[in-house]
Amino acid sequence: QKEVEQNSGPLSVPEGAIASLNCTYSDRGSQSFFWYRQYSGKSPELIMSIYSNGDKEDGRFTAQLNKASQYVSLLIRDSQPSDSATYLCAVKAPYDMRFGAGTRLTVKP
Amino acid sequence: EAGVAQSPRYKIIEKRQSVAFWCNPISGHATLYWYQQILGQGPKLLIQFQNNGVVDDSQLPKDRFSAERLKGVDSTLKIQPAKLEDSAVYLCASSYLQGRGTEAFFGQGTRLTVV
Repeated sequence: QKEVEQNSGPLSVPEGAIASLNCTYSDRGSQSFFWYRQYSGKSPELIMSIYSNGDKEDGRFTAQLNKASQYVSLLIRDSQPSDSATYLCAVKAPYDMRFGAGTRLTVKP
Repeated sequence: EAGVAQSPRYKIIEKRQSVAFWCNPISGHATLYWYQQILGQGPKLLIQFQNNGVVDDSQLPKDRFSAERLKGVDSTLKIQPAKLEDSAVYLCASSYLQGRGTEAFFGQGTRLTVV
């Protein structure tokens, strides 16, 4: 069974703080890792992808991958109220894409 | 570039009725996914197509759910007969390839309510 685990939250941070979201996966054959953002009542929107160990930065977002620990994380710097959403971790292992339950993030002004 | 198109956006049916959802992927995308998302949960993969072949349907309840992708483009997902627990958002996603390094993009989804 291919599992993708996330803390369901809710995670609450003040505006301007760093939000840290975590994800673990069970299948060591996993090759591709994605973070999606989902606003209430909307469909998931891709915000980051990462394929190699280490960090990948895109604006205020940084994805971190550690395949040895089977761990993926997403850091959001200078969090804004507009970042309030559910963040979904997705893993391709190697072809089918499976999601975690999502972490609900609230950024308080 | 047009995104993934899904219809209808909303559907309300009575239990034991049948329903069908339609998806048109992004042009040129060979991989198509159908997900079921129950309120408060992450998307659950129902079936994955590569062109018009099935790659993974291990989580599809085959006694009531069926899906096809004729000519490797549009896809339909059918439920017959529907149960109350099928109430969910059905999401279609597509990607250029199925392997490493290819992101999937979602349509707006179809919200199904079974009463």
